[in-house]
Amino acid sequence: DAGVIQSPRHEVTEMGQEVTLRCKLISGHNSLFWYRQTMMRGLELLIYFNNNVPIDDSGMPEDRFSAKMPNASFSTLKIQPSEPRDSAVYFCASSFSSATGELFFGEGSRLTVL
Amino acid sequence: SQQGEEDPQALSIQEGENATMNCSYKTSINNLQWYRQNSGRGLVHLILIRSNEREKHSGRLRVTLDTSKKSSSLLITASRAADTASYFCATDASGAQKLVFGQGTRLTINP
Repeated sequence: DAGVIQSPRHEVTEMGQEVTLRCKLISGHNSLFWYRQTMMRGLELLIYFNNNVPIDDSGMPEDRFSAKMPNASFSTLKIQPSEPRDSAVYFCASSFSSATGELFFGEGSRLTVL
Repeated sequence: SQQGEEDPQALSIQEGENATMNCSYKTSINNLQWYRQNSGRGLVHLILIRSNEREKHSGRLRVTLDTSKKSSSLLITASRAADTASYFCATDASGAQKLVFGQGTRLTINP
């Protein structure tokens, strides 16, 4: 299996632009997590899906952030409009059936908002 | 707020020595996990220990859990340069369906 696949790996954009990050889960996994990592705040859970349904989005910073899971193997995280404080590495992770079991992480998408 | 807090924040040792990292947490848990992150890469799961377990081994890794002290330790024996990475503990607060990660320990193995 190829593992969790994220794209793009790097994104540089200007403030106000829309950013879309993509994630492909491991086949057979049904839980999907979006995390954000910064030096100041560490690794923060943004949102968690189970069987394509958002279960916990309490970590989503504000309405500028939205996440979707249109099918069992794919998810997007959208930021519109982007701001410099959104600069971070965004990780997608998946697991088999449990929110608190072993997570499989992608390599991350490094976002820089100028 | 962070559920897990690692100590020390940074650790530098010579190759061949043992490395010990600690994690403290605040609320009762169902399990505790350790992950490794190489620079510029995603996190990789190392080991999971359940709340009813006290010790677990995996290769050169040894994890202990003391639920009375709300703490865990990760021991890497006979360290290698390839062990250079950041190490994170992650906990699931009982009743909360999510993993919360600590700030990590940055481990450097000097050849």
